[in-house]
Amino acid sequence: SAVISQKPSRDICQRGTSLTIQCQVDSQVTMMFWYRQQPGQSLTLIATANQGSEATYESGFVIDKFPISRPNLTFSTLTVSNMSPEDSSIYLCSVSRGSETQYFGPGTRLLVL
Amino acid sequence: AQTVTQSQPEMSVQEAETVTLSCTYDTSESDYYLFWYKQPPSRQMILVIRQEAYKQQNATENRFSVNFQKAAKSFSLKISDSQLGDAAMYFCASYLSPPQGGSEKLVFGKGTKLTVNP
Repeated sequence: SAVISQKPSRDICQRGTSLTIQCQVDSQVTMMFWYRQQPGQSLTLIATANQGSEATYESGFVIDKFPISRPNLTFSTLTVSNMSPEDSSIYLCSVSRGSETQYFGPGTRLLVL
Repeated sequence: AQTVTQSQPEMSVQEAETVTLSCTYDTSESDYYLFWYKQPPSRQMILVIRQEAYKQQNATENRFSVNFQKAAKSFSLKISDSQLGDAAMYFCASYLSPPQGGSEKLVFGKGTKLTVNP
């Protein structure tokens, strides 16, 4: 497994602003992922964060709205840009070590007013 | 397309009893993996158990076991001797080896809310 932390754990933001969420792992991992969980819903993959290159986005998610960085093998950020109330969700980071098993961080609960 | 279906939005069980959560999936692949994750109110997603499709033996982790029926594409989770701490949302998920140039991803079901009554 892996020890994963996310900052902030929660935030309340005004519409039109941006928030950057950090994901830190206690050891090097091959893959890092970002998921969104809208209220009362399941998880949806936003993108795969690739170290040293652009993230790979899933259908319905674009880089301008959700820019992602991954400067090294233990850290990634997700920015939620130009937020609207529809962006209110839990955002989760997950990691894998080149296998099919993913381990999740504690999540960031975002409320946009 | 890969889909995962959990037909029970909510389930309840008495403490110390056994409960089974249902999951079905749809894939045309032969090489895949299946998972159950637990999400308590703290919202942390916790891996409960995993099953490799090529293994006929059902996976077991302490009080948690699965009934994997590959032909029926069914993957149910059995929780024995239920405890108050088992109360959570349970998500079934599947993973496919990505096609060349494709991305890895887990596909999740909608979840089952489990209540444990004292």
